[in-house]
Amino acid sequence: GAVVSQHPSWVICKSGTSVKIECRSLDFQATTMFWYRQFPKQSLMLMATSNEGSKATYEQGVEKDKFLINHASLTLSTLTVTSAHPEDSSFYICSARDGQREGGETQYFGPGTRLLVL
Amino acid sequence: GQNIDQPTEMTATEGAIVQINCTYQTSGFNGLFWYQQHAGEAPTFLSYNVLDGLEEKGRFSSFLSRSKGYSYLLLKELQMKDSASYLCAAMDSNYQLIWGAGTKLIIKP
Repeated sequence: GAVVSQHPSWVICKSGTSVKIECRSLDFQATTMFWYRQFPKQSLMLMATSNEGSKATYEQGVEKDKFLINHASLTLSTLTVTSAHPEDSSFYICSARDGQREGGETQYFGPGTRLLVL
Repeated sequence: GQNIDQPTEMTATEGAIVQINCTYQTSGFNGLFWYQQHAGEAPTFLSYNVLDGLEEKGRFSSFLSRSKGYSYLLLKELQMKDSASYLCAAMDSNYQLIWGAGTKLIIKP
C-alpha cells in the first residue's frame, strides 16, 4: 500500500516553455500532497503544500505564479512550471499522505521527475 | 527556530552495525521520521516514532527520546545496498516536516 506515482519521470524542454508534472496516489486518498525540489547533493526543499480542493500554501521564496499547483482530487495533484528557465532544472518530487486515517502522518514519495531546461 | 542536526557523512564496513544520530528542535512535536534516499532516487519511508523508545523493523531500528530531542537510526548486518543518504525529519505542531540535510552512509567491503 501507499504507492505514489509521478509522470513524467524525465522532461527536457526549451527555455520559456511550460511543463506539467502529475502526482498520483494509487491506493489511498491523499488529503494532503507536497511538492519538493532537490538540487544535486542538496537536501530536500519543500516548495508547497496542497490540500484537496483548496489553494496551495507556498513556502517563502517560492513564486506561486511560476509554480502552479492544482490538487483537484484526492488522488491527483499537478505542478506546472511556467516559462521554465535553465535555473529551474532540478529533481521535483511529490509526496502524499492520508491525514484522515490512523498513522496518516507519514508522507509517501513519488519516484520524482527530473527536469532539464535547455 | 526549528532545526535538525545529523552528521553529514559516515563510513561503515559491510556486515557491521552503524548508528546515525539526529537531534531536533521544533515548535511542537508530532513524531520523527527516517527516510532512505539512494542517489538519484526519491526518498523511501523507513520508520516513524512518536513515543519514546526503540522500534525494530528487521535490520533497521529507530529510537526516540522526546525529552532529549534525540533520535537514532540503527542499521545492523550492513549490506552494500545500504549505501545511501538517510534523512531525519521531525513533524512540528502544524504537521509540517522539518528536514535534516541527510547523512550519507558509505559502506565499504
